Amino acid sequence: GALVYQYPRRTICKSGTSMRMECQAVGFQATSVAWYRQSPQKTFELIALSTVNSAIKYEQNFTQEKFPISHPNLSFSSMTVLNAYLEDRGLYLCGARRDRGKRNTLYFGAGTRLSVL
Amino acid sequence: GDSVTQTEGLVTLTEGLPVMLNCTYQTIYSNPFLFWYVHYLNESPRLLLKSSTDNKRTEHQGFHATLHKSSSSFHLQKSSAQLSDSALYYCALSLTNAYKVIFGKGTHLHVLP
Repeated sequence: GALVYQYPRRTICKSGTSMRMECQAVGFQATSVAWYRQSPQKTFELIALSTVNSAIKYEQNFTQEKFPISHPNLSFSSMTVLNAYLEDRGLYLCGARRDRGKRNTLYFGAGTRLSVL
Repeated sequence: GDSVTQTEGLVTLTEGLPVMLNCTYQTIYSNPFLFWYVHYLNESPRLLLKSSTDNKRTEHQGFHATLHKSSSSFHLQKSSAQLSDSALYYCALSLTNAYKVIFGKGTHLHVLP
């Protein structure tokens, strides 16, 4: 079955520092990867969508300068939170979509929970 | 813009009673995909149901939902709640020609013995 692993599961960083998180698709080719953030008391908010052979598309209120994403191959993606502050805390989820079969279905990792001191 | 509205907050009910979590959506697109994801603490959100066919019931693990385009709804139902159903449930919307998935705010279902 399709599995998505995220690393690390939890992390704490000091205010103003940066933190990188990873997303690994196992058992399928992730032609697109969506990164979401769930801030305290809020729903999953799309940060950006990365599709192979296309430019990474960021949603309003999220920028490449703040959340640079790398999607070097069909099984791996990483995102960095640069200059993290209190408002960046939350659960960061990676959702990967396979090329065929389960069209439009996102398979999620368990998330990286970011705390900012 | 596209959006999803679902029963918010906490829904508490006793084991054995029926479950109904409401979900309505807004989109100008005529062929949306609707999903229900279940999220247990410290686990990955997991797809429970999905549908893009109008008026067709879809079922999985005792849960069912029917997409009604006339009312823009995709309510989640189960005839008899189990303790293990306690979790967060998210209704989500995706458009066929886009990879973006939009989530509702989530409903926390708490089943009591």
